[in-house]
Amino acid sequence: KAGVTQTPRYLIKTRGQQVTLSCSPISGHRSVSWYQQTPGQGLQFLFEYFSETQRNKGNFPGRFSGRQFSNSRSEMNVSTLELGDSALYLCASSLEFEQPQHFGDGTRLSIL
Amino acid sequence: AQTVTQSQPEMSVQEAETVTLSCTYDTSESDYYLFWYKQPPSRQMILVIRQEAYKQQNATENRFSVNFQKAAKSFSLKISDSQLGDAAMYFCAYRNYLENYGQNFVFGPGTRLSVLP
Repeated sequence: KAGVTQTPRYLIKTRGQQVTLSCSPISGHRSVSWYQQTPGQGLQFLFEYFSETQRNKGNFPGRFSGRQFSNSRSEMNVSTLELGDSALYLCASSLEFEQPQHFGDGTRLSIL
Repeated sequence: AQTVTQSQPEMSVQEAETVTLSCTYDTSESDYYLFWYKQPPSRQMILVIRQEAYKQQNATENRFSVNFQKAAKSFSLKISDSQLGDAAMYFCAYRNYLENYGQNFVFGPGTRLSVLP
């Protein structure tokens, strides 16, 4: 069974641009969560989706948004990029929202 | 707000020895889950062990076991017979499954474990 797939693996953007990251969960998994990992702030929860509905959102500004499609694939979007948005963005999926999560390899986003 | 603290930024252990990683957390909720994840240099986060707060019995997974003290809000991870492949960053995490709760999945800052041959 294929694992969680995140694309792209690396991305370089400049300040002010916007970016969309993609996550394909394990087949059959309905819950998808996103996390930001930085050396300074560590791992922080961004949002959680279940059956196309956002169940929870972490403490991030409105520039960070996401969505989940009917096939459970998810995207997150960051608009008006800032230098501080440079991070590893991790996606995780689970069968149901209370089940253990499986993480992808992440997308490394660098802002110049 | 929930917080998770890992007081040991770095630890090392000899191969085949036992090591314990510490974790404390703070929450006002009674139902929640606790996790230990490992993140090797390859960066993929891997679930090591999971504990439901309503279960008194400590979770075990092969060489990995936890000491869950709910009243003390402590959740330590014991790795027995350490192997070179155990070298990684270990994160303790707290999670509740409430909807529209906001920050419902909180990670500690991590403990970098080195395994010495």
